[in-house]
Amino acid sequence: GESVGLHLPTLSVQEGDNSIINCAYSNSASDYFIWYKQESGKGPQFIIDIRSNMDKRQGQRVTVLLNKTVKHLSLQIAATQPGDSAVYFCAENHTGGFKTIFGAGTRLFVKA
Amino acid sequence: EADIYQTPRYLVIGTGKKITLECSQTMGHDKMYWYQQDPGMELHLIHYSYGVNSTEKGDLSSESTVSRIRTEHFPLTLESARPSHTSQYLCASSRDSSPHEQYFGPGTRLTVT
Repeated sequence: GESVGLHLPTLSVQEGDNSIINCAYSNSASDYFIWYKQESGKGPQFIIDIRSNMDKRQGQRVTVLLNKTVKHLSLQIAATQPGDSAVYFCAENHTGGFKTIFGAGTRLFVKA
Repeated sequence: EADIYQTPRYLVIGTGKKITLECSQTMGHDKMYWYQQDPGMELHLIHYSYGVNSTEKGDLSSESTVSRIRTEHFPLTLESARPSHTSQYLCASSRDSSPHEQYFGPGTRLTVT
């Protein structure tokens, strides 16, 4: 069946370092892969997405990499800040579909 | 900042009570969703709507019902709350052109005693 999963449940990084959060997916037919950030007590917030025909997409301090060969997705955060502390979810979606499948989250701790 | 609101934010209620969780958005989005989430865990879709008078059940079996009489409003109702319904409920909406880019409300944390 379809599944989106994360390799590590928690990640601890030093402030200023780069963070890499990884995700594995199983459905090759997905058209979009998405990263969401969820801070404590809040709903998830869209960070960045990448279409299945792309390998890399950059945003402000974030980069998403897609490796379709091994069905792997990663989120890189440059110069990690305390405000980046949150749970990060990867998700996948089919074009025109209502269903976005969320994986289990990775909690990012940023040490000052 | 997304304009999607949920009330109440927290609710503690006894078994057997009927409750309605409110969700409203001011972005004019046609698609709206309800998810259930246990702390730190993935989100599970329980209901969605393509537009007014259009509602469907999601993947997770749920004893709740929804309605969509107005574009901006998507309430979720539990006819008889049970302890197994204790969870966080998240409402979201999206544009038709970008269904994968969802805007979430702050959630309602429900505890059924």
